Amino acid sequence: DGGITQSPKYLFRKEGQNVTLSCEQNLNHDAMYWYRQDPGQGLRLIYYSQIVNDFQKGDIAEGYSVSREKKESFPLTVTSAQKNPTAFYLCASSIDRGRGTGYTFGSGTRLTVV
Amino acid sequence: SQQGEEDPQALSIQEGENATMNCSYKTSINNLQWYRQNSGRGLVHLILIRSNEREKHSGRLRVTLDTSKKSSSLLITASRAADTASYFCASLNAGKSTFGDGTTLTVKP
Repeated sequence: DGGITQSPKYLFRKEGQNVTLSCEQNLNHDAMYWYRQDPGQGLRLIYYSQIVNDFQKGDIAEGYSVSREKKESFPLTVTSAQKNPTAFYLCASSIDRGRGTGYTFGSGTRLTVV
Repeated sequence: SQQGEEDPQALSIQEGENATMNCSYKTSINNLQWYRQNSGRGLVHLILIRSNEREKHSGRLRVTLDTSKKSSSLLITASRAADTASYFCASLNAGKSTFGDGTTLTVKP
């Protein structure tokens, strides 16, 4: 079955550590996105990529980094520069940049700083 | 700041009643999408309405779009307990979608 897989489901990070969240899709989608969701709130765009080897900052990119070396993969690194990283992180993909079919989302990674 | 804003923030109804949620946005859009999120899960795409469309139906869902007022509404008819979830609108502009803060719908059996 085609889909988008995020791992791990839960992640604990110590202060000052970098952590990487995985996002893999086998939908052959060109565009991929990372969103952050805080409790009781909507999604805020961190980074997005519309094609391999290219990505753009979203609204809250500070403290985060991404790479897009393969079409299927769009990992997100939460760096120590991100002051408040505890949140629910959602990865999404789209075959047509959302123009006609909307986004397909993964099931999310819940990151907690301990 | 968030482009989309949903209203109301929370809605509680009885099974069988209709639920209406509203969404406003601030800039021009290519389309507007509605998503559903069950607690602690990813979002599921429900319906997309393009900027040149005024109304769209999908099963028990009806979406309207008023570009002059920069607003959209989602109507769920004959609601069921399984419709209990958070609902988000997302407006697409310049290749990226901006989400609102959502409406939490509770359908009581």
